[in-house]
Amino acid sequence: KAGVTQTPRYLIKTRGQQVTLSCSPISGHRSVSWYQQTPGQGLQFLFEYFSETQRNKGNFPGRFSGRQFSNSRSEMNVSTLELGDSALYLCASSLRLAGGLDYNEQFFGPGTRLTVL
Amino acid sequence: AQRVTQPEKLLSVFKGAPVELKCNYSYSGSPELFWYVQYSRQRLQLLLRHISRESIKGFTADLNKGETSFHLKKPFAQEEDSAMYYCALTYYNQGGKLIFGQGTELSVKP
Repeated sequence: KAGVTQTPRYLIKTRGQQVTLSCSPISGHRSVSWYQQTPGQGLQFLFEYFSETQRNKGNFPGRFSGRQFSNSRSEMNVSTLELGDSALYLCASSLRLAGGLDYNEQFFGPGTRLTVL
Repeated sequence: AQRVTQPEKLLSVFKGAPVELKCNYSYSGSPELFWYVQYSRQRLQLLLRHISRESIKGFTADLNKGETSFHLKKPFAQEEDSAMYYCALTYYNQGGKLIFGQGTELSVKP
């Protein structure tokens, strides 16, 4: 099976711009989670999408948004970029069920390195 | 709030020595704990999880609810174990959300 893919791998933007990152999950996986990784804050959960619905959200401002399409591919968008948004953005997919006791393994992509100048 | 703490940023041992990477968590309910590993130039991947109670690559981890810990252990470290290790937590109906510790870099010297 092909792994999780993320595009683009590297991105340079300037403050005030917006950016869209894409994630293609493993075939058959319906859940996609997004994480921000920085040296100072480590890995922080952004949000999770399951069957085109946001199921969970982390503590990030409204400038961070996402969506999921019917083929389970997901995008995240960051508007009005700030210098502090520079980070590695990871997405992960899993066979997550509808809810309840479900601790399926998350498979991570290689990440998109976003640099904000 | 739920929190995962890995007190050591860097752990350096010699090949053949025992290894223990510490992980403590704060959560009042019944969490599910994981260890993820990232080898150099590779993706973050699952090493093991509490619910499966497996030993992977010689590593084991025991959940101690009294001490709220999930330390990762290996009796004899190998050079190929050098990597970044992350402890992570999730809980009921939050399976898509992992709360990660800050990570511990393990360096195994020859």
